[in-house]
Amino acid sequence: EVQLVESGGGLVQPGRSLRLSCTASGFTFGDYAMSWVRQAPGKGLEWVGFIRSKTYGGTTEYAASVKDRFTISRDDSKSIAYLRMNSLKTDDTAVYYCTRGIWAAAGLYFFDYWGQGTLVTVSS
Amino acid sequence: DIQMTQSPSSLSASVGDRVTITCRASQSISSYLNWYQQKLGKAPKLLIYAASSLQSGVPSRFSGSGSGTDFTLTISSLQPEDFATYYCQQSYSTPITFGQGTRLEIK
Repeated sequence: EVQLVESGGGLVQPGRSLRLSCTASGFTFGDYAMSWVRQAPGKGLEWVGFIRSKTYGGTTEYAASVKDRFTISRDDSKSIAYLRMNSLKTDDTAVYYCTRGIWAAAGLYFFDYWGQGTLVTVSS
Repeated sequence: DIQMTQSPSSLSASVGDRVTITCRASQSISSYLNWYQQKLGKAPKLLIYAASSLQSGVPSRFSGSGSGTDFTLTISSLQPEDFATYYCQQSYSTPITFGQGTRLEIK
């Protein structure tokens, strides 16, 4: 059974940093791209970024709203994906979901499994 | 960035109704369109990928269609467990973007 479990959320002051972890099980982690998607309270879904599998270079892409502040990385030996968040703003307050990504074809990418989410609250 | 616009934003319907939700892209995205269902307090769940392919385990009353800029999600006969918020998502180009969501409520 595929499982994704996020951890590391909590209350943090503006300007500070936080690292989220996503521990995966039930599949060969290294074969898949991993993404982070967030949802501000009462709002819709916002893609944060993804990291490709090592087969495809392990490269990353980010939403403009987090680029240069957030970093996604992965440790395939531990089946963990990370989201390092620096210079946090109040607008970053959201539930952060870890998702498994499927590249079904060039241009076709979807999120087939999601974690339960972890809440990050940025407030002084 | 490709903008995704869903309509309606909210919808009231009854059990047994046929419901259609529309998603429009600001430019052509071929068939690179996916649909998700999110129940209150839960993570989203993949329903449809590539515009019309049903994800494994999803009931056949859900279907998707469209290509280019206009897409639809149809629920053929609403069940009580279908009352939720639905999102479309494009992957044609980054940044990946979602529609604003359609909240489906019980009439």
